[in-house]
This record gives sequence, C-alpha cells and structure tokens, in this order.
Amino acid sequence: GAVVSQHPSWVICKSGTSVKIECRSLDFQATTMFWYRQFPKQSLMLMATSNEGSKATYEQGVEKDKFLINHASLTLSTLTVTSAHPEDSSFYICSARPQLDSEAFFGQGTRLTVV
Amino acid sequence: DQQVKQNSPSLSVQEGRISILNCDYTNSMFDYFLWYKKYPAEGPTFLISISSIKDKNEDGRFTVFLNKSAKHLSLHIVPSQPGDSAVYFCAASDSGGGADGLTFGKGTHLIIQP
Repeated sequence: GAVVSQHPSWVICKSGTSVKIECRSLDFQATTMFWYRQFPKQSLMLMATSNEGSKATYEQGVEKDKFLINHASLTLSTLTVTSAHPEDSSFYICSARPQLDSEAFFGQGTRLTVV
Repeated sequence: DQQVKQNSPSLSVQEGRISILNCDYTNSMFDYFLWYKKYPAEGPTFLISISSIKDKNEDGRFTVFLNKSAKHLSLHIVPSQPGDSAVYFCAASDSGGGADGLTFGKGTHLIIQP
C-alpha cells in the first residue's frame, strides 16, 4: 500500500517553544492531507485539512494561529505547534489519500511532550 | 456529540474463535466506513472498508457488515490470531471516502488470549 512517513516520531520540547512535524507521502502525490490528534484512550480527532497551495481548513475549536499548517508541495505537509504548552502534549497523526476514492493511509504518528 | 461510537472499550477473545467488534453511528450522511487497527505509538493501519451501497465486504479473515437502518456496523475476524491484539478504530466519512477527513470512534482494545 501507499506509504506516509511522519517525522519525528517523538519530540520533547520546553514550554513556549515551537515544534514542527513533517508528513510526507513517499510514493504518491496528495493534494490533501489531514492532521489528527489523539489523547490517551481517546479517539483520533481531526484537527485540520491541509490543501496543497492553499490555506488549511481547521475544525471547530482548533486554533489556527497555534497549529500552523503548510502544504508546500504535493508530497509534504507540515504542522507547527507554536508556543507549546503542556496541554499540547499529545499524539499527532497525519494521513493522506492517493486518490479521492481510496482509503486513507496514516503516518506513524508523533508523540509530543511539552515540559 | 460523538457521531461514531464504539461502546466496548475492550474485548477479550480466545485464539481461533471469532472476534466481533461493533460500531454505531448517528450521522445519516455517512456513506463510507472504514476499520483501522492501531498499535501503541503507531499510526492506524487500514483493514477494510465498506460503502453504504453494500451491506457486506469480505477480505480474508476480515468481514465488515453494515446495517444502514440500524446505523450499525461490525467487524468480524475469524479465526482470531494473537497478532490481532490491538486497538481497532471504526471511522466514517460523509464524502464517499473523498476529500473530507474521517470521524473516528474511541476504539476497542481487542485482546486475543492463547
């Protein structure tokens, strides 16, 4: 199946700093990628839809100024958590579809811990 | 309001028997459903999907059943194997699996006992 690579797989940062997470589709192009967040023992919650060449679409309640998304190319989307706080500590996962009617493939996820 | 519900946080099944994971949804606009398997600290792995125009889809040991009138779907795994132990997420889309993101349930932790 299609491969989506996410980097880093885990990161620890200090409060107030920013962290960038990369999501790459390795063997296909994706005009749309999705960013999810999962708290322990909770569901994956869609944060935003990343669109190549245009602004991301954020779900209700997600701060777009805090979670900056850049979809610079057809194979790369980045999520930057700005001015991170301990409550931003979570598991962040991206996904992409090779085609609109195919299943979504997920990255490995990034465990963010803010101390 | 949770639109996709997996009411069993965990399920224990003996190896070789059938595992049945259930999922209910409330949004009648959902028209495409997927099941994902997830290990700790990893991203979900796609298992099987079903379109709302079907009521059954089978792939090897995995079968998904959809009951639209009851807004219910289930994943059957038979025979269950130790490697099936993981968290299973039910997900739904209202765009035919297209451009929109997925709505996930909270997951069911399946434990296969030897």
